[in-house]
Amino acid sequence: KAGVTQTPRYLIKTRGQQVTLSCSPISGHRSVSWYQQTPGQGLQFLFEYFSETQRNKGNFPGRFSGRQFSNSRSEMNVSTLELGDSALYLCASSSGVATGELFFGEGSRLTVL
Amino acid sequence: GNSVTQMEGPVTLSEEAFLTINCTYTATGYPSLFWYVQYPGEGLQLLLKATKADDKGSNKGFEATYRKETTSFHLEKGSVQVSDSAVYFCALSSAVSNNNDMRFGAGTRLTVKP
Repeated sequence: KAGVTQTPRYLIKTRGQQVTLSCSPISGHRSVSWYQQTPGQGLQFLFEYFSETQRNKGNFPGRFSGRQFSNSRSEMNVSTLELGDSALYLCASSSGVATGELFFGEGSRLTVL
Repeated sequence: GNSVTQMEGPVTLSEEAFLTINCTYTATGYPSLFWYVQYPGEGLQLLLKATKADDKGSNKGFEATYRKETTSFHLEKGSVQVSDSAVYFCALSSAVSNNNDMRFGAGTRLTVKP
């Protein structure tokens, strides 16, 4: 079956702009989690959505937001971009059962200039 | 809170050498433990997992045993190959919360030279 699809794969923005990233989970998966990966901070959990509801949230400012649609596709948005937001944003899907196994997409690499 | 500590890298080995990457964890309850691998330019892939104490996860020649007494989940491989060059992440998922709150270690970059 098809894996997790993230779009766009690469994008360049300037400070102050906003960005929306998209994630299509594996068919049948109801949970989508988002992570930020940077060389300095490693993998940091942003939030998780399950059945259109945010179920868990990491320690990121309110500029980072997300949503999930009825077909389980998810988007995350970052407003008022800062240079430090440059990172690889990874989406992971799972069935939602607390076994923890996540299936990751290839990520969206955001560069903020 | 839950957390994972893994050995810092980078680790450089010659082909066919023995690999150990240490991982210890702090968690309440009985978490599930994972090793994920990230090849260059790709997302993370599940390498192996263990869901209860004394379980051994294994895949592609890699093994890790869930040791509750030492709160550890060290990754081992008897003979590494150049194709094993990647970043390895230890992770845990709480069995208490009914959500995906996966905590990752900082990652260990492995380079295997021919």
